[in-house]
Amino acid sequence: KQEVTQIPAALSVPEGENLVLNCSFTDSAIYNLQWFRQDPGKGLTSLLLIQSSQREQTSGRLNASLDKSSGRSTLYIAASQPGDSATYLCAGVASGGSYIPTFGRGTSLIVHP
Amino acid sequence: NAGVTQTPKFQVLKTGQSMTLQCAQDMNHNSMYWYRQDPGMGLRLIYYSASEGTTDKGEVPNGYNVSRLNKREFSLRLESAAPSQTSVYFCASGPRTGPRYEQYFGPGTRLTVT
Repeated sequence: KQEVTQIPAALSVPEGENLVLNCSFTDSAIYNLQWFRQDPGKGLTSLLLIQSSQREQTSGRLNASLDKSSGRSTLYIAASQPGDSATYLCAGVASGGSYIPTFGRGTSLIVHP
Repeated sequence: NAGVTQTPKFQVLKTGQSMTLQCAQDMNHNSMYWYRQDPGMGLRLIYYSASEGTTDKGEVPNGYNVSRLNKREFSLRLESAAPSQTSVYFCASGPRTGPRYEQYFGPGTRLTVT
């Protein structure tokens, strides 16, 4: 069964820093990996999805990478801003099964001015 | 294009009462999901429907029932609410076939059972 881990659980950084959020998964037969953002009291908003055939995806200041061999995905946020403060979750879909995503518990990010 | 909508946004129930949470999507997705989110527990899958006419249990189905009314709508029913069902409930939808098995989430229903 796929297990997804996100470390650290919480992160506080000053504005302007470049930062990396980590997502580890146990089943390397991953079909795709999706990153979400969740603001307090809100639903999950999809940020990026990386398919198994891709190494990375970029959207604005966000870059997500996928390394199946090491069981890791990273979300890179460039020049962080207070508006980036949120919880970031990753979800992996393993191939050969029901194609239901397995979610990590998220990293709570605070970017302070 | 509203995406995934959920009603109600908030609900307070007394123990033993019943209610139905509604979810609808306008993205023509085959698959729909119900999750609950609790502090320290992350997102847990309650039920899912891979396609119209099918439903399957997820990780925490006890105390819940679902109905896939049509391709657009997927409802979650609590027959006899318990305080342990106090949670935030999210509905999601996504394509059934690849290559992109991505999910889109609704805004959630915040349920309190007293």
